[in-house]
Amino acid sequence: ETGVTQSPTHLIKTRGQQVTLRCSSQSGHNTVSWYQQALGQGPQFIFQYYREEENGRGNFPPRFSGLQFPNYSSELNVNALELDDSALYLCASSRAGGRGPYEQYFGPGTRLTVT
Amino acid sequence: AQSVTQLGSHVSVSEGALVLLRCNYSSSVPPYLFWYVQYPNQGLQLLLKYTSAATLVKGINGFEAEFKKSETSFHLTKPSAHMSDAAEYFCAVSGVPSGANNLFFGTGTRLTVIP
Repeated sequence: ETGVTQSPTHLIKTRGQQVTLRCSSQSGHNTVSWYQQALGQGPQFIFQYYREEENGRGNFPPRFSGLQFPNYSSELNVNALELDDSALYLCASSRAGGRGPYEQYFGPGTRLTVT
Repeated sequence: AQSVTQLGSHVSVSEGALVLLRCNYSSSVPPYLFWYVQYPNQGLQLLLKYTSAATLVKGINGFEAEFKKSETSFHLTKPSAHMSDAAEYFCAVSGVPSGANNLFFGTGTRLTVIP
């Protein structure tokens, strides 16, 4: 069983640029959640996708957007990058469809640095 | 609304000593509670979860946690620390039984094990 994978592992961008992060969910999982973990902090929920639709969103501006594809993989897009966007971005997949909670399996993350 | 507070950003114990990591939660609905561990440059791994069944929950690697509603606590313990337990530990709460089961994380506790 393949776990959650994320790409790239590291990324350096300049303020104002746009970035796309990718996540492949674990086999059999239909839900993907994205979290931002700033240095020294706990992860913060960005949004979740279930069956290709956004299914909840945290307190993040609209320049954070996402997609989920028919194979349940997902992308996180961030426009107009700001210095404060520098963080570890974590993707987690789970299998929704019954009584919760749905255990979330995390990928290794993408470290984004904005200069 | 859901939130967790982890008391003590850093905890040091001697190898073989008791590990106690504290977590208090706030939730407007019956909570689901989780402990995750994060090793350097890695994603999060689930240690254990409370889902309203038994109040004493056993997890992986010898860890366990007890849900105490009267104290709104979910402290993590391990009878005897091992060097490999050195990592960052996060407590998280999810209060939504269906829909977006996003997790609200604490700020983490870094555990150091002294040989």
